[in-house]
Amino acid sequence: AQKVTQTQTSISVVEKTTVTMDCVYETRDSSYFLFWYKQTASGEIVFLIRQDSYKKENATVGHYSLNFQKPKSSIGLIITATQIEDSAVYFCAMREGGAGNTGKLIFGLGTTLQVQP
Amino acid sequence: EAAVTQSPRNKVAVTGGKVTLSCNQTNNHNNMYWYRQDTGHGLRLIHYSYGAGSTEKGDIPDGYKASRPSQENFSLILELATPSQTSVYFCASGDWDRYTEVFFGKGTRLTVV
Repeated sequence: AQKVTQTQTSISVVEKTTVTMDCVYETRDSSYFLFWYKQTASGEIVFLIRQDSYKKENATVGHYSLNFQKPKSSIGLIITATQIEDSAVYFCAMREGGAGNTGKLIFGLGTTLQVQP
Repeated sequence: EAAVTQSPRNKVAVTGGKVTLSCNQTNNHNNMYWYRQDTGHGLRLIHYSYGAGSTEKGDIPDGYKASRPSQENFSLILELATPSQTSVYFCASGDWDRYTEVFFGKGTRLTVV
């Protein structure tokens, strides 16, 4: 069964520094897709970045990047030059992609990031 | 960006009553999802759909039904609402065939008293 685990409940950093949030996943599928989402204080859930399992290059979007370590089933989210407005809850998610996959999109419990001035 | 609209945004229901949460998406996505979010549990999948006419059980389907009458609409139905179903519910849509991401609605806060 697929599973996503985020072990860091909360992280606090100083503005303009770099933060890494951890995520490990379990799947028996050789093809899968990994996502990071951000939930703002208003409750809105926003897509940030994705990594497809067959791609070796780490994805980068703006000041978000991923550290994809396939042998360790790990997909870390890196935020560089953090800003106050990056304060939010960050969710890691996975969808299996092989033949016969269920189409389920499963989430971790989330990591709360607080960026201090 | 995909538009996913949930209604109502807030709902107070009576125990034992029927509640219907509605979701509409305008990007012709095949896949739609209903999640509930509770403190300490993250986002848990209730039901999902591959397309019009299909519904599948997620990880916590008990006490909920789903209906996908069209490509655009996906409803979550609580036939006999209970206080334990007090939560924030999110609808989402995406299209795996086109390798899109999943986009979320703004959520519905349901309180069952």
